[in-house]
Amino acid sequence: SQTIHQWPATLVQPVGSPLSLECTVEGTSNPNLYWYRQAAGRGLQLLFYSVGIGQISSEVPQNLSASRPQDRQFILSSKKLLLSDSSFYLCAWRATGPGGTNEQFFGPGTRLTVL
Amino acid sequence: AQKITQTQPGMFVQEKEAVTLDCTYDTSDPSYGLFWYKQPSSGEMIFLIYQGSYDQQNATEGRYSLNFQKARKSANLVISASQLGDSAMYFCAMREPTGSARQLTFGSGTQLTVLP
Repeated sequence: SQTIHQWPATLVQPVGSPLSLECTVEGTSNPNLYWYRQAAGRGLQLLFYSVGIGQISSEVPQNLSASRPQDRQFILSSKKLLLSDSSFYLCAWRATGPGGTNEQFFGPGTRLTVL
Repeated sequence: AQKITQTQPGMFVQEKEAVTLDCTYDTSDPSYGLFWYKQPSSGEMIFLIYQGSYDQQNATEGRYSLNFQKARKSANLVISASQLGDSAMYFCAMREPTGSARQLTFGSGTQLTVLP
């Protein structure tokens, strides 16, 4: 069965510090991968998605970046965090190929607080 | 332009009663997919149900059913026999066109509270 991991679960970082959030998926190959951000009490906003290793599409220009160094690994980064980066970050995956499905499956999320 | 609209920021329902959560959408593409997700206070997004634009019948998954009215562009979620554990935030989402790698566009959500 497929599982998705995100870490850390919570993070408190000072303004101007770097960020690295990691997401890994098990039990599937060549998934589509997504990073979303959710402000408190709001819907999800797509930040990045990837259809393959090294292939990143950005939806919202900002001081965040994403990388996919391996098939089932997706990393969200920042060189210098802003206060406005405080949010709940969710990673998701979607199966592709003959066994592909329509739905996206989400990880447990990372709650980031920038002070 | 907003593509997914959920007009009910909060809903209350008595345990064991049915409840309908509203969702309307806007798209010019004939091929699209509609989703409902549940987000409990833990934050995890849980997939509930999917409806494709070409599906002839309304989707059902256990106590969840999707009332799909294509001409009205609505995709309401019906939860039958509500349980206390159903208390959560519910999001409607759309992907267009069906099968694309692109994102889901989410509505603003409805906070459902099930009363004992």
